[in-house]
Amino acid sequence: AQSVTQLGSHVSVSEGALVLLRCNYSSSVPPYLFWYVQYPNQGLQLLLKYTTGATLVKGINGFEAEFKKSETSFHLTKPSAHMSDAAEYFCAVTNNYGQNFVFGPGTRLSVLP
Amino acid sequence: NAGVTQTPKFRILKIGQSMTLQCTQDMNHNYMYWYRQDPGMGLKLIYYSVGAGITDKGEVPNGYNVSRSTTEDFPLRLELAAPSQTSVYFCASSSPTASSDTQYFGPGTRLTVL
Repeated sequence: AQSVTQLGSHVSVSEGALVLLRCNYSSSVPPYLFWYVQYPNQGLQLLLKYTTGATLVKGINGFEAEFKKSETSFHLTKPSAHMSDAAEYFCAVTNNYGQNFVFGPGTRLSVLP
Repeated sequence: NAGVTQTPKFRILKIGQSMTLQCTQDMNHNYMYWYRQDPGMGLKLIYYSVGAGITDKGEVPNGYNVSRSTTEDFPLRLELAAPSQTSVYFCASSSPTASSDTQYFGPGTRLTVL
């Protein structure tokens, strides 16, 4: 069975500081990996995804993530946090596309002025 | 192109009542999903469908039913509402290919059962 863990249910950073949100997964076969963002009272929006190919994936709003197979990780980063980045971020994994989509518990990002 | 739409946005039910959460997508996606999101938890898959006439259980199907008579619509039915079903419900759709499987989400339905 697949699973996703996200270290830290709440992360606070200062505006302009580095954002690092951690995601580790377990999967018996090569995974597809995703990061979604959820703004208050809204649905989830895709930030970026890894399927095959280049392990460093760039997404919207300046975010990027690196797939590290040896570490079973897919951490999300952004060099400089902006106030508008404050939201809930979810990591997800699937290896059977269309089915068995597993989400992590989420990390709430706060950006301090 | 509206994407995935859900109705209603909010609903309060009494224990034992029934209701249907509506979900419609206009992207011609063959896959559709229902999730519930509880505070501090990730999304849990309730049911999914890989095409019209085909549905299957997800991780937490008890207390729910679904149908998929058309590609566009995927309603979720609660027959006997219970307080444990208080949650935010999200519908999603996708059109998986060998190289991509992005799910597109609706805005959610916030359900309270009292």
